[in-house]
Amino acid sequence: DTGVSQDPRHKITKRGQNVTFRCDPISEHNRLYWYRQTLGQGPEFLTYFQNEAQLEKSRLLSDRFSAERPKGSFSTLEIQRTEQGDSAMYLCASSPGPGQGYRSYEQYFGPGTRLTVT
Amino acid sequence: AQKITQTQPGMFVQEKEAVTLDCTYDTSDPSYGLFWYKQPSSGEMIFLIYQGSYDQQNATEGRYSLNFQKARKSANLVISASQLGDSAMYFCAMREGPQGGSEKLVFGKGMKLTVNP
Repeated sequence: DTGVSQDPRHKITKRGQNVTFRCDPISEHNRLYWYRQTLGQGPEFLTYFQNEAQLEKSRLLSDRFSAERPKGSFSTLEIQRTEQGDSAMYLCASSPGPGQGYRSYEQYFGPGTRLTVT
Repeated sequence: AQKITQTQPGMFVQEKEAVTLDCTYDTSDPSYGLFWYKQPSSGEMIFLIYQGSYDQQNATEGRYSLNFQKARKSANLVISASQLGDSAMYFCAMREGPQGGSEKLVFGKGMKLTVNP
């Protein structure tokens, strides 16, 4: 069990550019979540997947944001035409999911990708 | 209305002392779950403890216990015998609805704990 990994750890981009982040969950986990955390705040939910199906999206996820989880394994989060307000830490988490045993509710977080839009 | 309220922006505690971190929540759903996470300066969120709304007993995990007062809608985290490594941001979070449903978490703003030697 290598834990949840995210790549890159840091990204600096110019306003208007597109960026893509990757998350590799714990291998046997069915559920994968994306959160965004701005300075001085707690994480805010963006979206989550059960296997390859995207089951819920927050209103925070504007049409510039898109997330995928092909084949139910890793996930990508793309932000198009970045804005300075997109600067934040993007956190990925995974959990076993319902019916997957003891503490299936526990979300394991990755180290995050810190995005800075200049 | 805020669903999770953490009013203490920061606390200081002496090593080996116990400390209580406050959290109140707001929901009309009878089924929910309450979580505490720790976020050290490295940035990774670390799960500490979970309490389900129907759990009869307060949750405990090693040095962590959750003082769950349902009528008051509070879920305070108690850390016994503080250690220097406990210095971090602490976040209270809630899942509304039954386990197995959405499972998305709503977090509070967090509070910073500093443990002094």
